[in-house]
Amino acid sequence: KAGVTQTPRYLIKTRGQQVTLSCSPISGHRSVSWYQQTPGQGLQFLFEYFSETQRNKGNFPGRFSGRQFSNSRSEMNVSTLELGDSALYLCASSWDTGFGGYTFGSGTRLTVV
Amino acid sequence: SQELEQSPQSLIVQEGKNLTINCTSSKTLYGLYWYKQKYGEGLIFLMMLQKGGEEKSHEKITAKLDEKKQQSSLHITASQPSHAGIYLCGADNTGTASKLTFGTGTRLQVTL
Repeated sequence: KAGVTQTPRYLIKTRGQQVTLSCSPISGHRSVSWYQQTPGQGLQFLFEYFSETQRNKGNFPGRFSGRQFSNSRSEMNVSTLELGDSALYLCASSWDTGFGGYTFGSGTRLTVV
Repeated sequence: SQELEQSPQSLIVQEGKNLTINCTSSKTLYGLYWYKQKYGEGLIFLMMLQKGGEEKSHEKITAKLDEKKQQSSLHITASQPSHAGIYLCGADNTGTASKLTFGTGTRLQVTL
């Protein structure tokens, strides 16, 4: 079966712009989580969605937001980009929150210049 | 201090040798997830442990959870070049598995 698909794979944006990243979970998975990975801070939790509802949120500023659609696909948005937002953004899905472990996508590498 | 400490930070082993990676949480562990990551790529799920004393194996990789000590270990037997990568442990400290806290990772190199 198809894995977790994240688009785009690479993205270059300018400071001040906004960006939208997309994640298509494994078919049947209803939970989608987002993580930010940087060399300095490692993997940090952004938010988790289940059946279109945000269940949990990490310690990120309000510029980071997300949503989940009825087909479980999810998007995250970062507004007013800063250089420090450059990172690998990873999406993970599971049938239910954490049930059976999370399957991660290959990530979107965002570079802010 | 880190909520989730992994040790060692890096490891170089000769092919065929055994190795162990440790993961210690400063908070109560309700679940512990082990992942492997190739540089700049997504995480590959290895194992999930939820009960104290639980031990799981997959091929040559075994993971154990010591709930009382709030730590887990990942043991690789007879290492192979294909085992090289970054190993990450992720902890569920809330009991909901909704938010995982990850360690800083252990970089493993396997030499011929």
